[in-house]
Amino acid sequence: ELKVEQNPLFLSMQEGKNYTIYCNYSTTSDRLYWYRQDPGKSLESLFVLLSNGAVKQEGRLMASLDTKARLSTLHITAAVHDLSATYFCAGSRRGAQKLVFGQGTRLTINP
Amino acid sequence: DADVTQTPRNRITKTGKRIMLECSQTKGHDRMYWYRQDPGLGLRLIYYSFDVKDINKGEISDGYSVSRQAQAKFSLSLESAIPNQTALYFCATSEGGDWGAKNIQYFGAGTRLSVL
Repeated sequence: ELKVEQNPLFLSMQEGKNYTIYCNYSTTSDRLYWYRQDPGKSLESLFVLLSNGAVKQEGRLMASLDTKARLSTLHITAAVHDLSATYFCAGSRRGAQKLVFGQGTRLTINP
Repeated sequence: DADVTQTPRNRITKTGKRIMLECSQTKGHDRMYWYRQDPGLGLRLIYYSFDVKDINKGEISDGYSVSRQAQAKFSLSLESAIPNQTALYFCATSEGGDWGAKNIQYFGAGTRLSVL
């Protein structure tokens, strides 16, 4: 059974700083997704990582996948207030084709 | 208009009542999903459907039922609501296809349900 765990669950940081959110999963997950959720809003797809070593970048966010370590990271560079949100990772196994979500990381970026 | 529409957006009901949450989509996707979100637990899958004749239980299906009325419509019912079903419910859709496809799920705006 696939299990997905994120850490930290809460993160408060200052604008301009760099930080990383970690996503560990328990067994083979052939795809890894990152979503963003603003308070009271729906989930928005950020990245999908399909293979070992995959790296995707959009603005100040960069996601990577290491399938051997069963680890994905979401790196935030020079944080700005607009990135404050809850970030979820989710794994998916070949054949199952359904997502298993982590608990979410609530990110607060202070001026 | 939103590609994935959930109705109602908010609902307050009493213990024991039957309620239905509805989801419709204009994305033309075959696959539809129902999740619930609770603080600190992420999203958990209730039911999913890969086409009109294919419906599957997720990890927390007890107390829920679904109906896939058409490719574009997927409803979630609580037959006899109880307070611990108070949560935020999301519908999602995905294109599906073979394993090489990205299979990104697209979410509706959510239904906030309170069971008193």
